[in-house]
Amino acid sequence: DQQVKQNSPSLSVQEGRISILNCDYTNSMFDYFLWYKKYPAEGPTFLISISSIKDKNEDGRFTVFLNKSAKHLSLHIVPSQPGDSAVYFCAASSNRDDKIIFGKGTRLHILP
Amino acid sequence: GAGVSQSPRYKVAKRGQDVALRCDPISGHVSLFWYQQALGQGPEFLTYFQNEAQLDKSGLPSDRFFAERPEGSVSTLKIQRTQQEDSAVYLCASTQGTGRYEQYFGPGTRLTVT
Repeated sequence: DQQVKQNSPSLSVQEGRISILNCDYTNSMFDYFLWYKKYPAEGPTFLISISSIKDKNEDGRFTVFLNKSAKHLSLHIVPSQPGDSAVYFCAASSNRDDKIIFGKGTRLHILP
Repeated sequence: GAGVSQSPRYKVAKRGQDVALRCDPISGHVSLFWYQQALGQGPEFLTYFQNEAQLDKSGLPSDRFFAERPEGSVSTLKIQRTQQEDSAVYLCASTQGTGRYEQYFGPGTRLTVT
């Protein structure tokens, strides 16, 4: 049973436009959410996170929005750049244990 | 070293062979995690160490999988009698404190069982 769901396996966005990656979760105990980016043949790298006490966190071109009532979060990248082409993983954790649960990932293609 | 390193990067094993995968975490990082990533999937938790203590091994898929971190730094994931379904990328991650926040990942070991 997937606790963290990324329902779009892939997404294509024109360079310079906004990329929006979506994530849903089922476990109401999750209180910390992370986005990781992964290039081929490399490990995932941390991108941005948000605590459940906030509804928005911004870092440069990257903004994460959290809607707790809908159990939904999204990652906005604006403007999208060619180097943003990668697989993006949504992840979540709770204070009940010390591990992160990952979604299946969304492959983002930035088109020239 | 600057980051988490893993060796070997690629491993091909015949079904039934034993394999050992190594992880060198970032120096001083207390927590170390192992994940299995199958093709088209996200990383799935296998096991977790805090220093040398294995605090959670609930994700290990069978008793053929064994992990250790005897001195609280380098860790080894051992898979005995490998099966084709063990083919995956095995990722190691470390973190200074609790693992439920940002974790730093190594490049992974791609295991192919033929």
